[in-house]
Amino acid sequence: ETGVTQTPRHLVMGMTNKKSLKCEQHLGHNAMYWYKQSAKKPLELMFVYSLEERVENNSVPSRFSPECPNSSHLFLHLHTLQPEDSALYLCASSQGQGGYGYTFGSGTRLTVV
Amino acid sequence: GQQLNQSPQSMFIQEGEDVSMNCTSSSIFNTWLWYKQDPGEGPVLLIALYKAGELTSNGRLTAQFGITRKDSFLNISASIPSDVGIYFCAGQIPGNQFYFGTGTSLTVIP
Repeated sequence: ETGVTQTPRHLVMGMTNKKSLKCEQHLGHNAMYWYKQSAKKPLELMFVYSLEERVENNSVPSRFSPECPNSSHLFLHLHTLQPEDSALYLCASSQGQGGYGYTFGSGTRLTVV
Repeated sequence: GQQLNQSPQSMFIQEGEDVSMNCTSSSIFNTWLWYKQDPGEGPVLLIALYKAGELTSNGRLTAQFGITRKDSFLNISASIPSDVGIYFCAGQIPGNQFYFGTGTSLTVIP
């Protein structure tokens, strides 16, 4: 596998469920990101991990909980979500601060019912 | 956060036509990126720009880093159906995250 891989591609969950999104990068990058993409809105940065340490949390509700066990893997744990959390969740990775750009995964399309 | 304004929001063009879109910011950036996102996929990097006035091409795509460092432009020449998608700009202040525009949706009519 190459690039950034996200699973699952699609997820439907109830508001009381707990689920996790997974991201894996095969690029040897040392930073990983979670973004939320909603219709008609810019990409919203949720979390940044650099060298496996969280360096930025853009005031994301606690119902989203990230985990970065190593430099290649990133998870987003979800619990008691709201319908307005339905969106495309994108994972990205970069080397350093990403001056050469971020490499994105294909995303997980999340629907909260 | 920083706000990047992309225009136009959407474009409908005939195959073979040239396309121009731009991105403006109230802040000065040191790096500009242009991405394309196909339906159901993540954004893919097209062009990266690092210097004011820089003009960089990638096939039929050409992007420019505005001399004020507050804007960037993307041109596509002789559009083809596979150019359909959403084009995003992104700007970075050194030591900071990238900020993304709202995107320009391109439809190419055969």
